[in-house]
Amino acid sequence: QVQLVESGGGVVQPGRSLRLSCAASGFNFRDYAMHWVRQAPDKGLEWVAVVGVDGNTKYYADSVKGRFTISRDNSKNTLSMQMNSLRVEDTAVYFCVRMPDAMDVWGQGTTVIVSS
Amino acid sequence: EIVMTQSPATLSVSPGERAILSCRASQSVSGRLAWFQQKPGQAPRLLIYDASTRATGIPARFSGSGSGTEFTLTISGLQSEDFVVYYCQQYNNWPLTFGGGTKVEIK
Repeated sequence: QVQLVESGGGVVQPGRSLRLSCAASGFNFRDYAMHWVRQAPDKGLEWVAVVGVDGNTKYYADSVKGRFTISRDNSKNTLSMQMNSLRVEDTAVYFCVRMPDAMDVWGQGTTVIVSS
Repeated sequence: EIVMTQSPATLSVSPGERAILSCRASQSVSGRLAWFQQKPGQAPRLLIYDASTRATGIPARFSGSGSGTEFTLTISGLQSEDFVVYYCQQYNNWPLTFGGGTKVEIK
């Protein structure tokens, strides 16, 4: 079945780095743009970043631009996000999302906590 | 950035009745508007895309309408599992933006 499984979350100090991964299965990963969306504790949803099918087209939310880098490996059906210079306000559940016409498949999320 | 405003923040409805949720965009998003349902501890689930098209497997009691800047999600015959949080999202412009959510609670 179509599935997205995130990993890599954890507790990290402000200013440090973390790398999230998302393993895709059950569909042709290379045919879909992929996104990261996050949700801070008891807050709403915030779009973070997108990467196009070829891995070259990328857009970021202003809140993470210059600190986060989204990437994909179509040979391994994997989406990644390198998060540098983490801030307390980056604390959230991070979801990997597939988006053909709309965000139709979501992973279960991985939790990132930035705290000293 | 397009700001998405959902109203009301909380909607109290009796089971079996109809709920009408609103979403307003700060500028036109054409019909590129989606609705999501989120249950506690779970990822959001796509209900409606392109303003009025139900996603695969979504019951007919969920319907969407609107265009431009004004959109509505209608849930007819509310069932117990429908009393959760709903978000709208525009995907017409970067950055993609979500509304703040509407919580549907039991009256």
